[in-house]
Amino acid sequence: EDQVTQSPEALRLQEGESSSLNCSYTVSGLRGLFWYRQDPGKGPEFLFTLYSAGEEKEKERLKATLTKKESFLHITAPKPEDSATYLCAVQATGANSKLTFGKGITLSVRP
Amino acid sequence: DVKVTQSSRYLVKRTGEKVFLECVQDMDHENMFWYRQDPGLGLRLIYFSYDVKMKEKGDIPEGYSVSREKKERFSLILESASTNQTSMYLCASSSRTGLTYEQYFGPGTRLTVT
Repeated sequence: EDQVTQSPEALRLQEGESSSLNCSYTVSGLRGLFWYRQDPGKGPEFLFTLYSAGEEKEKERLKATLTKKESFLHITAPKPEDSATYLCAVQATGANSKLTFGKGITLSVRP
Repeated sequence: DVKVTQSSRYLVKRTGEKVFLECVQDMDHENMFWYRQDPGLGLRLIYFSYDVKMKEKGDIPEGYSVSREKKERFSLILESASTNQTSMYLCASSSRTGLTYEQYFGPGTRLTVT
């Protein structure tokens, strides 16, 4: 069974204090790993797709990386507007397009 | 710009009522999904559809049904609403034939059953 574990559950940072969010996964064969951002009361917003180990993608202060067992979302010099819940999901090969989601990491950035 | 819309942002219904939640996407995606999201439980898949009139059960289909008569529209039906169906409902869509497989989500419907 595919599994996704995100850690820590919650993270509080000071503005400008860089950190990383972890997503560990177990999947029979990886088709893709996805990162989403979710603001309170809203639907998840797509951020990145990673397909193979060693791949990296960047968007503003966010950088996602992938190994064979985990993915990291690095946040450089975060701002209060980066406060949100970050979700990780995997899609297995032959999964008929279904995603398996982690429970998310709630990030709070204090000014 | 990709867009998934849901018929209501907030909905309050009484126990036993039949509830319809509608989702429309404008990306010509083959796949559409219904999830519910509850604190501490994360996103859980209720049903999904990979083509018109096709549907498959997700992880928690009990108490729900779905309808997909047109490619762009996917409806979730609560036949007889119960208080344990109070939740945030999220619709998503994705391509089955493209190069990428990410799902795009709607804004969500916060359903309260009293």
